Amino acid sequence: DTAVSQTPKYLVTQMGNDKSIKCEQNLGHDTMYWYKQDSKKFLKIMFSYNNKELIINETVPNRFSPKSPDKAHLNLHINSLELGDSAVYFCASSQGVSGTDTQYFGPGTRLTVL
Amino acid sequence: AQKITQTQPGMFVQEKEAVTLDCTYDTSDPSYGLFWYKQPSSGEMIFLIYQGSYDQQNATEGRYSLNFQKARKSANLVISASQLGDSAMYFCAMREAPDSNYQLIWGAGTKLIIKP
Repeated sequence: DTAVSQTPKYLVTQMGNDKSIKCEQNLGHDTMYWYKQDSKKFLKIMFSYNNKELIINETVPNRFSPKSPDKAHLNLHINSLELGDSAVYFCASSQGVSGTDTQYFGPGTRLTVL
Repeated sequence: AQKITQTQPGMFVQEKEAVTLDCTYDTSDPSYGLFWYKQPSSGEMIFLIYQGSYDQQNATEGRYSLNFQKARKSANLVISASQLGDSAMYFCAMREAPDSNYQLIWGAGTKLIIKP
């Protein structure tokens, strides 16, 4: 059973297009996250939702918009894609927001913008 | 200032040897959690081990153990009897108090290569 799943795994698209990445977790967790991992492997938090409420919204271009239809899903929509958006995007979830709550990651979505 | 420092960008280790991956952290909060993750070449992020700041014992999970030295603010990952499948990037991360919304703060990672 997949705990945190993302679709698609690979996404190749042209500059200027709009695309979405979907994330689902079946762990019963209350908190979900989106991370961006650049080519140097540095992980940067983008957004976090707790019980469908946005709790972390880092400095991310407003072309990126998260949407949480329910606690088990957190989707990421990206408008007007740019070359610099090429990266691996990870979804993650945790039981809650305490310091002891472990985050579990999805397999990642490799986005390539041409 | 860097809150999580992993000083070894890359390491080569002979198979079956033990490995220590360094991680130092900086926080003034008495309550925090430390995490290690593994990222193999296939790309997924795999949770390995967790250490709480108030935990009296060093965390262990199978071949993984955490050498937690609170006074030195270090949380080194020890892998015993390394295997070829241990070759991967390893990330240390810390979670602090409510003011930071419990964000995970990540180190830059260490690339570990196990030689046969």
